[in-house]
Amino acid sequence: KAGVTQTPRYLIKTRGQQVTLSCSPISGHRSVSWYQQTPGQGLQFLFEYFSETQRNKGNFPGRFSGRQFSNSRSEMNVSTLELGDSALYLCASSSNPGQGFYEQYFGPGTRLTVT
Amino acid sequence: AQSVTQPDIHITVSEGASLELRCNYSYGATPYLFWYVQSPGQGLQLLLKYFSGDTLVQGIKGFEAEFKRSQSSFNLRKPSVHWSDAAEYFCAVRQAGTALIFGKGTTLSVSS
Repeated sequence: KAGVTQTPRYLIKTRGQQVTLSCSPISGHRSVSWYQQTPGQGLQFLFEYFSETQRNKGNFPGRFSGRQFSNSRSEMNVSTLELGDSALYLCASSSNPGQGFYEQYFGPGTRLTVT
Repeated sequence: AQSVTQPDIHITVSEGASLELRCNYSYGATPYLFWYVQSPGQGLQLLLKYFSGDTLVQGIKGFEAEFKRSQSSFNLRKPSVHWSDAAEYFCAVRQAGTALIFGKGTTLSVSS
């Protein structure tokens, strides 16, 4: 079974631009979560989607948004990029978030550099 | 507030020696507990998880972890470390309906 895939793997953008990152979960998984990883703040939760609905949201500004499609693929968008948005963005999928008894499987991440 | 603490930022262990990475959490009830490993330039790989039951859980790559409720700890152990174990290790916790919260991570170096 193929793992979580994220595209693109690397991205360089300029301040003020916007960016869209894509995530395809493991086949059969209906939940996708996004995390931001930086050396200073570590791994921080952005949001979680299940069946096209946002279930949880982390403490990030409204410039960060996401969505999930009917095939469970997910995208996240960051508008008006700032230098501090440079990070590794990780996507994770899971099969059943309705209870706590599930684990998340992570993709390789998208490395975003803002100049 | 819910939190996860990994007290050791960096640990160096000789190849073949035993390893213990510490993790403490602060939660109102018993959370669901996880250990992940991240190699440079890679995503996170799940090593093991604890949901309930036996407090000693076995994972992949020869790792195990023990949940101690009285100490709010979930320490990761390996009896004999291999050079390929050098990586960054993250402890994470979650309660039902909430997101994963990660510790800051422990970087493991293995010396020959």
